[in-house]
Amino acid sequence: EVQLLESGGGLVQPGGSLRLSCAASGFTFSTYAMSWVRQAPGKGLEWVSAISGGVGNTYYADSVKGRFTISRDNSKNTLYLQMNSLRPEDTAVYYCAKDLTTYEDWGQGTLVTVSS
Amino acid sequence: EIVLTQSPDFQSVTPKEKVTITCRASQSVGYTLHWYQQKPDQSPKLLIKYASQSFSGVPSRFSGSGSGTDFTLTINSLEAEDAATYYCHQSSSLPRTFGQGTKVEIK
Repeated sequence: EVQLLESGGGLVQPGGSLRLSCAASGFTFSTYAMSWVRQAPGKGLEWVSAISGGVGNTYYADSVKGRFTISRDNSKNTLYLQMNSLRPEDTAVYYCAKDLTTYEDWGQGTLVTVSS
Repeated sequence: EIVLTQSPDFQSVTPKEKVTITCRASQSVGYTLHWYQQKPDQSPKLLIKYASQSFSGVPSRFSGSGSGTDFTLTINSLEAEDAATYYCHQSSSLPRTFGQGTKVEIK
């Protein structure tokens, strides 16, 4: 059974940084692309970033490019999202999802609140 | 960026009624269009992949159709547990995009 468990969310001031983690189990993590999708309170889903399996090519939404960095540690079966220069509009639940095409598996999400 | 526009935004439906949600893409996505269901305080769940392929474990009352720019999610004989927000999503190109969502309420 695939399990994805996000952590690292919390309250941060504008301009601050936060690193999210997603611990994966139940599949061969290194061979799969992984994605981050977020959802602002009361709003719809927004794709944020993705990283391929293997060589780890990275992809970003324009709204986070240059501020967020996606990475993975295949030895730890863990996906990361380093978020810098955070803005109030980054406030959202952040989900990790398996793959880059169809998201068959999602984590439960971790809430990031950017506020002073 | 491919924009996905769903209609309607909201639908109030009686149990056993048929529900149709449409998703229109700003440019062709072929068959790379997927549908998700999200209930309050839950993560999204995949219902339909590649326009018409039912995902494992999804009730047979959910079906999808379409190709290119126009797609439809149909719920035959709506049940109370189907109250949720439904999203379409394209994987034809980056950035990946979602529709704005359609909220289905049970009357």
